Amino acid sequence: VQLVESGGGVVQPGRSLRLACAASGFSFTNYVMHWVRQAPGKGLAWVALISYDGRNTYYADSVKGRFTISRDNSENFFYLQMDSLRPDDTAVYYCARLRTPSGGPVLFWGQGTLVTVSS
Amino acid sequence: SYVLTQPPSLSVAPGQTARIPCGGNNIATKSVHWYQQKAGQAPVLVVYDNSDRPPGIPERFSGSNSGGPATLTISRVEAGDEADYHCQVWDNSNGFQGVFGGGTKLTVL
Repeated sequence: VQLVESGGGVVQPGRSLRLACAASGFSFTNYVMHWVRQAPGKGLAWVALISYDGRNTYYADSVKGRFTISRDNSENFFYLQMDSLRPDDTAVYYCARLRTPSGGPVLFWGQGTLVTVSS
Repeated sequence: SYVLTQPPSLSVAPGQTARIPCGGNNIATKSVHWYQQKAGQAPVLVVYDNSDRPPGIPERFSGSNSGGPATLTISRVEAGDEADYHCQVWDNSNGFQGVFGGGTKLTVL
């Protein structure tokens, strides 16, 4: 199993950024996928999930209405569109897969991509 | 929303036992997962579903969740166990969300 994030960088407050996660080594279309973030010096924070078919999405209260998770099952990618970014969105963003298709703990993590929101 | 509470830090001498608590409302009704995170690295799952260990995790790592806070226990602590430890649950009381504790920095003296 391999998860590789891309798309991080420095962005001004109020602007947008799109993260991508390339998944390989497993049956991507069977799995719910997640984004988790970690602000500098802080703990982990779950961000969003998308069902295996993309029909169902859930978000943390802190990003609801600003972030959108999506997936492309034909290419084994999923995404996090981040709009109206704020300084407190600054974090390392990890894409993640659970131990089983339906639930359980996060077993696989990407290496993380840093998003810095600053003017 | 559901909240998990961990102490920010814990110090233990080598060879001793570290017990890291994770508190939450009626936490005994939830499955608690634990992650170890060393500096600059992605987290690693060390205990899941309260007390199960993934392959490759030493038996020194164990978990419990049966009354009181959920607890990660590390027996015979080694210098290499120095890391941040995070507890986590899934909560469906308000939609569906993942919840992490604030993390505990374990220092091996």
